[in-house]
Amino acid sequence: EAGVTQSPTHLIKTRGQQATLRCSPISGHTSVYWYQQALGLGLQFLLWYDEGEERNRGNFPPRFSGRQFPNYSSELNVNALELEDSALYLCASSQLRGTDTQYFGPGTRLTVL
Amino acid sequence: AQSVSQHNHHVILSEAASLELGCNYSYGGTVNLFWYVQYPGQHLQLLLKYFSGDPLVKGIKGFEAEFIKSKFSFNLRKPSVQWSDTAEYFCAVNAENQGGKLIFGQGTELSVKP
Repeated sequence: EAGVTQSPTHLIKTRGQQATLRCSPISGHTSVYWYQQALGLGLQFLLWYDEGEERNRGNFPPRFSGRQFPNYSSELNVNALELEDSALYLCASSQLRGTDTQYFGPGTRLTVL
Repeated sequence: AQSVSQHNHHVILSEAASLELGCNYSYGGTVNLFWYVQYPGQHLQLLLKYFSGDPLVKGIKGFEAEFIKSKFSFNLRKPSVQWSDTAEYFCAVNAENQGGKLIFGQGTELSVKP
């Protein structure tokens, strides 16, 4: 069974640009979560989508947004990129909403120059 | 606010030594507890989890963890480590009213000398 997949693996952008990151959950999983793993800041919760709706967001500005598609895949958009947005962005999925076990993808390394 | 604390940032052990990594959380309600591992160059993988029942849970690769509710702790143990256990270990917690959010500890880097 395929795990969570993310694309692209690496993304290089300049300050002020927009970045789009994509995630495909494990087959049968309907919840998708996004986390940021920045150097020195650890793993921080960004967003949770379930059944196409945003269910919760972490303490991040509105320029971090996303959506979930009918096939449960998800997209994370980061607008007006800043240097401190450079991080590994992890996507996770779970079969049940909320407190179920989350399984992580390999991440997208975003570098903002 | 809910938080997770891992006691050690970097642990160095020789092969066959015993391992215990501490994890404490601050939340008074019902929680689900996890340990994840990130091997060099690989993605975050689930080691073990506790939802309810027997507070001593066993995971993959010989790891186990004990949930002690009175101490708000969920320490990870392994009787004899191997060089291949070199990795970063993360303790994580979520709860029903936290909106799907996993709260992670800052991670413990384990280096095992052959």
